Amino acid sequence: QSALAQPASVSGSPGQSITISCSGTSSDVGSYTLVSWYQQHPGKAPKLLIYDVNKRPSGVSARFSGSKSGNTASLTISGLQAEDEADYYCCSYAGSTTNYVFGVGSKVTVL
Amino acid sequence: QVQVVQSGAEVRKPGSSVKVSCKTSGGTFTNYAINWVRQAPGQGLEWMGDITPMFGLRHYAQHLQDRVTITADKSTNTAYMELSSLRPEDTAVYYCANYGNGIDGFHIWGQGTMVTVSS
Repeated sequence: QSALAQPASVSGSPGQSITISCSGTSSDVGSYTLVSWYQQHPGKAPKLLIYDVNKRPSGVSARFSGSKSGNTASLTISGLQAEDEADYYCCSYAGSTTNYVFGVGSKVTVL
Repeated sequence: QVQVVQSGAEVRKPGSSVKVSCKTSGGTFTNYAINWVRQAPGQGLEWMGDITPMFGLRHYAQHLQDRVTITADKSTNTAYMELSSLRPEDTAVYYCANYGNGIDGFHIWGQGTMVTVSS
């Protein structure tokens, strides 16, 4: 099972919106709603931002939103802030043989 | 508030084994599936396997299933991940992460344990 495809880097200016894509296949993203997104700052553990495609855990800013269309999931960050500069990973359930697969990760830079 | 604390950094020689612990406190251990995720230096996240302590169910990543064993001790709310036949490419930060209890995502993470494999 290959890692899910993500752009290596995404950038934007403060206040702008950016979208990170996560491309999978009909065996993972396309077949399940168990898609989640994680933010990771350098030297820190990942933090859950989105689960079940578009649900936010308590305490996560409403600036983060998720969606899915076909085999591709997306994370949108609205009102970009300096603190959003981090690595972002998507993750999808991929069935009982593979279980979970992560994306390769995207580095977000705030210009 | 649920917290997860992992054991400290380890250094091992190639061919040996390492066992990392992950203790959950402040919550009901059996409400979660405990997952293990690793991250090699400068690389992305890799799912390794999980255990559901309530039922003792385990799942492993196919490419690791011959070398990884995940266990859980309900009496101490502690999960363990043992990786055998270590190779230099197993050098990574190993994280445990709780999944479930109403949230379909890895939502409570340990601080990570650095495992270095070097001769």
